[in-house]
Amino acid sequence: DGGITQSPKYLFRKEGQNVTLSCEQNLNHDAMYWYRQDPGQGLRLIYYSQIVNDFQKGDIAEGYSVSREKKESFPLTVTSAQKNPTAFYLCASSMQVGGQPQHFGDGTRLSIL
Amino acid sequence: GIQVEQSPPDLILQEGANSTLRCNFSDSVNNLQWFHQNPWGQLINLFYIPSGTKQNGRLSATTVATERYSLLYISSSQTTDSGVYFCAVDDWGDDKIIFGKGTRLHILP
Repeated sequence: DGGITQSPKYLFRKEGQNVTLSCEQNLNHDAMYWYRQDPGQGLRLIYYSQIVNDFQKGDIAEGYSVSREKKESFPLTVTSAQKNPTAFYLCASSMQVGGQPQHFGDGTRLSIL
Repeated sequence: GIQVEQSPPDLILQEGANSTLRCNFSDSVNNLQWFHQNPWGQLINLFYIPSGTKQNGRLSATTVATERYSLLYISSSQTTDSGVYFCAVDDWGDDKIIFGKGTRLHILP
């Protein structure tokens, strides 16, 4: 079945460490997105990508980086510059940016040790 | 940018009851989606509904684009309906999708 796979489900980060969250999709979608969700809150956009080798900052990009070397993959790196990284991270994709429904992965929970 | 407001923020109902969730948006939108986030965090598409009415089993949704609101109806609630319901819109001039803060629904057995 087509879908979006995020890994790992749970991730722990030490102070000063970079960590990378994986997102893979086999829906043949052009657009991919990363969101952050804090407890009891809605989703906030971190980065999005319309096509391979192209990506744009969302509303809270500071302390995060992404790459889009393949259509299927959109990994998110949480850098040591992100001072409050504990959150639930969701990856999504859609046929194209804007105008299409988004489909979500099951998320990764990141915590600080 | 567009503001999205959802109401009520919290709703507690007995199993079998009906409910109506509302999403107001501050400007014209290109598209609107309703999602259900279950207690495990999974976000499930319910409806993709920029205008008009759609139904899927016990759930239905109506968007009145000219009046800038959408309603999600849940009939004969079940405990598995519990979770958070999000409305998300994208406007005509922006690539971003904007989420409301959600309505947290608790269905009591």
